[in-house]
Amino acid sequence: AQKITQTQPGMFVQEKEAVTLDCTYDTSDQSYGLFWYKQPSSGEMIFLIYQGSYDEQNATEGRYSLNFQKARKSANLVISASQLGDSAMYFCAMSPNAGGTSYGKLTFGQGTILTVHP
Amino acid sequence: EAGVTQSPTHLIKTRGQQATLRCSPISGHTSVYWYQQALGLGLQFLLWYDEGEERNRGNFPPRFSGRQFPNYSSELNVNALELEDSALYLCASSLITSGWETQYFGPGTRLLVL
Repeated sequence: AQKITQTQPGMFVQEKEAVTLDCTYDTSDQSYGLFWYKQPSSGEMIFLIYQGSYDEQNATEGRYSLNFQKARKSANLVISASQLGDSAMYFCAMSPNAGGTSYGKLTFGQGTILTVHP
Repeated sequence: EAGVTQSPTHLIKTRGQQATLRCSPISGHTSVYWYQQALGLGLQFLLWYDEGEERNRGNFPPRFSGRQFPNYSSELNVNALELEDSALYLCASSLITSGWETQYFGPGTRLLVL
């Protein structure tokens, strides 16, 4: 079974500063994918970034980067130059297969609420 | 390109009634997933449909069911509604890109059971 743990219920950051959201995972699978999603108050889940277990380089997508440390089983999200619009709930998730189908499901963490102050 | 759409946006039912939620995937996506997000809880996987067939099911009772139509749209049915079924129901569709799969979510249906 796969498990995702997000230990920060809430985080605060000043506008234009960087922030790191923590995510640790547990799996016995050798092949898996890690995802981050953003959920604004409207409820829609917005895909941000992906990291495959076999990817040697950390994924980046604009202001988002994923700090992947396989030995520590962590996949932290780094948001650079925070903006007010970044205030939202952030979910870390994993799928059991990095090379194809996820067999139908993602396993999600409990989420971290990020608040960006002006 | 249109994203995943869901209807209705809000639904109010009373205990014991049935609820039907609808989802249209992104054009070209053949897989549809349903998740429940109850207040204070994370997303819980409900059902996965692909090519018209139920492929996987989460730990939910049989009164949660659904189907996928030939155009890949999907319906989630919840029978004999209970108060704890009140939640945001999210639908996602997927596309395998460069050897990996990303699920794209719709805006959700907020179900309130009174």
